[in-house]
Amino acid sequence: DIVMTQSPDSLAVSLGERATINCKSSQSVFSTSRNKNFLAWYQHKAGQPPKLLIYWASTRDSGVPDRFSGSGSGTDFALTISSLQAEDVGVYYCQSHFDTPQTFGQGTKLEIK
Amino acid sequence: EVQLVESGGGLVKPGGSLRLSCTASGIDFNTAWMTWVRQAPGKGVEWVGRIKSRPFGGTADYAAPVTGRFSISRDDSKNTVYLQMDSLKTEDTAVYYCAKDVPWTGGALTYWGQGTQVTVSS
Repeated sequence: DIVMTQSPDSLAVSLGERATINCKSSQSVFSTSRNKNFLAWYQHKAGQPPKLLIYWASTRDSGVPDRFSGSGSGTDFALTISSLQAEDVGVYYCQSHFDTPQTFGQGTKLEIK
Repeated sequence: EVQLVESGGGLVKPGGSLRLSCTASGIDFNTAWMTWVRQAPGKGVEWVGRIKSRPFGGTADYAAPVTGRFSISRDDSKNTVYLQMDSLKTEDTAVYYCAKDVPWTGGALTYWGQGTQVTVSS
């Protein structure tokens, strides 16, 4: 099974500053047949279900602000928030949606400094 | 509008059983691959399992911690997916979400229910 490891576990960033969360998979999530990385990012706020932000490693889901961007390929990925807003506070998860089990990372808690 | 509504959560003793339901609306349920995800108190989210649509065999896959104890089934006539949980352990205490992808996300989960609480305690 693929193991997803995020870093850091928690992050405090000032409003308007850049936040970057990293995700490393234990094996490649790149599909040569689809020419895509099966890597998703979710935002999770207390009392709500997780929200899909990014899929295929870098494609923003509908309605997701363009301050959120995803990058990386193979086994190393990053989620970047270019200018942190107060509403971005929460826990962020990466997920391999390559095959089952579709493992999530352990999560990164993002707070305002 | 797509809606996923979970039900069936509650308090159960260790070793007991519980069946969760997730009823969908606003989607073509016959072609939907449905996923269960959970979050234990103070922990991250955890993928539990997924059932394919009947055209793809209707089979289910599970995470290691629940294999052999949980089973996922579906009733397409009721637009409902079930999570049968047997031999429950205290560590199964969690909010359980059902979720669904859309074809263009390759399995990434676009739609989520609000979750149902399962508490396993004596």
